[in-house]
Amino acid sequence: SQKIEQNSEALNIQEGKTATLTCNYTNYSPAYLQWYRQDPGRGPVFLLLIRENEKEKRKERLKVTFDTTLKQSLFHITASQPADSATYLCALDPPQGGMLTFGGGTRLMVKP
Amino acid sequence: NAGVTQTPKFQVLKTGQSMTLQCAQDMNHEYMSWYRQDPGMGLRLIHYSVGAGITDQGEVPNGYNVSRSTTEDFPLRLLSAAPSQTSVYFCASSPVQGNSNQPQHFGDGTRLSIL
Repeated sequence: SQKIEQNSEALNIQEGKTATLTCNYTNYSPAYLQWYRQDPGRGPVFLLLIRENEKEKRKERLKVTFDTTLKQSLFHITASQPADSATYLCALDPPQGGMLTFGGGTRLMVKP
Repeated sequence: NAGVTQTPKFQVLKTGQSMTLQCAQDMNHEYMSWYRQDPGMGLRLIHYSVGAGITDQGEVPNGYNVSRSTTEDFPLRLLSAAPSQTSVYFCASSPVQGNSNQPQHFGDGTRLSIL
C-alpha cells in the first residue's frame, strides 16, 4: 500500500529564514499533491495543490516542488515569520481513486 | 457562510455507549468525508461520500457507520464506543471537478474521549 512520510520531528528556524519541509511517498505515483496548514485545536486549511506535470508552484511566500522521479515534494516558506508556526500536512490522491491520503505532518516553529 | 460545522466540539463517553457526531456544510459540496487524527498517525480516512445516498469505506471504517440523506449533512455514528476510538474527528467537504480531488474544507473537529 502507499506510504507517505513527513519528518515527525519539529523543525525550528529563526525568523526571516527559509523553512523547507519534506514529503516523501512510496509505492505509487499520485496525479497531484496538496499541502495543508493546521493550527492547534483547528482543522487543516488548504494551502497549495501541485499536479504531476508541474515541477513548481508558488503562492506569495510559499513554494512547492514535485519531483515524481524522487517521489518527493518540498514545501518552502521564505522570509518565515512566527505566525507561520504550525503543523504542515501533505496529502496525495490514492491510486484507486477516492479520498486524499495524508501524511503525519511536520511541526514548524519560527522563533523571533 | 459557515463552511463546515461540526458538533459537538468535545464529548466524553463511557465504553459501550453510542453517539452521533454531526457534520454540516453550506457550500453545496458533493464530496464529504470523516477522518480521525491520532498523535503520530496523521489523518486517517474513516468513511466518505461522493453524493447524497452514496457512501464508501475508508482506511479505518470498523466501529463506525455513516449515511448521507442530504447534500448538506454527513453524520458519523459510533455504534458501541471503545477506548481505541478516543481521538479527534474531522469532517471535510470538497467540490467535484472531473475525476480530480479538489481542496478539502475541514471543520474544527470533535474531541472524543472514551473512558
